[in-house]
Amino acid sequence: DVKVTQSSRYLVKRTGEKVFLECVQDMDHENMFWYRQDPGLGLRLIYFSYDVKMKEKGDIPEGYSVSREKKERFSLILESASTNQTSMYLCASSYGLAGLGEQYFGPGTRLTVT
Amino acid sequence: GNSVTQMEGPVTLSEEAFLTINCTYTATGYPSLFWYVQYPGEGLQLLLKATKADDKGSNKGFEATYRKETTSFHLEKGSVQVSDSAVYFCALSVATNAGKSTFGDGTTLTVKP
Repeated sequence: DVKVTQSSRYLVKRTGEKVFLECVQDMDHENMFWYRQDPGLGLRLIYFSYDVKMKEKGDIPEGYSVSREKKERFSLILESASTNQTSMYLCASSYGLAGLGEQYFGPGTRLTVT
Repeated sequence: GNSVTQMEGPVTLSEEAFLTINCTYTATGYPSLFWYVQYPGEGLQLLLKATKADDKGSNKGFEATYRKETTSFHLEKGSVQVSDSAVYFCALSVATNAGKSTFGDGTTLTVKP
C-alpha cells in the first residue's frame, strides 16, 4: 500500500515564526502536492512538484515556499507564519506520466497560528 | 479549462437509505474520474475510479459510471451505513495537465441510525 506520512498531525505556532511541514511518500512517485483545506473553500493547491528540485506554483502560493531535495520528500515552508495561514494542510503524491492521476494523501497537519 | 461541479451538501440520510451524490465535469481531453472520501480528522482516500467512457468504478458498495454523453460521474450506494458518514470529493485528471487533479468542493454526508 502507498503510504504518505506528514511530520505532525497538530501544530501550534506563533505569528512570525518560520514553519516547516514535511511530507514523505514511499512509492517512488514523481509528483507531489501541497494543498490547504478550509471550510467552504474545498481543496486549494499551494505548490506542486513533478521531479526532484522542480516545483510549480498552484492556485495560492503567496506566503509559502517548497523544497524537494529528494524524490520521496516534499517540504512546505511558511517563511513568516500569519494567522490567516491557520488551516488543515494536506500532502499528496501520484505517479507521473505512467499514472492515471489518482492521488494518495497523507493524514493532514492541522496548523494553528496564534 | 477543467472543472468539477458536485452536489451541494450537507446530505443527511437514515441508515439503509439509497445514496446519490451528483457530479458533473468539463474537461479538455479525455479525463480519468475519481471519487475520494475523507473521514473526520483524516486525509482523502481514493474510493473508486474510472478511466474511460462507460467504465464503472466500484468499491465498498459504492458505484459510479463514467457517462461521457452527460459528462457525469454520479456516486451511488444502495444502503448506507453510519460508518459512511464522511466528506465525498469528485475529481478528474487529464494527462495533459501535468499530473494535477481538479477537485469538486466536496459533499458532506451524515448517516443517522
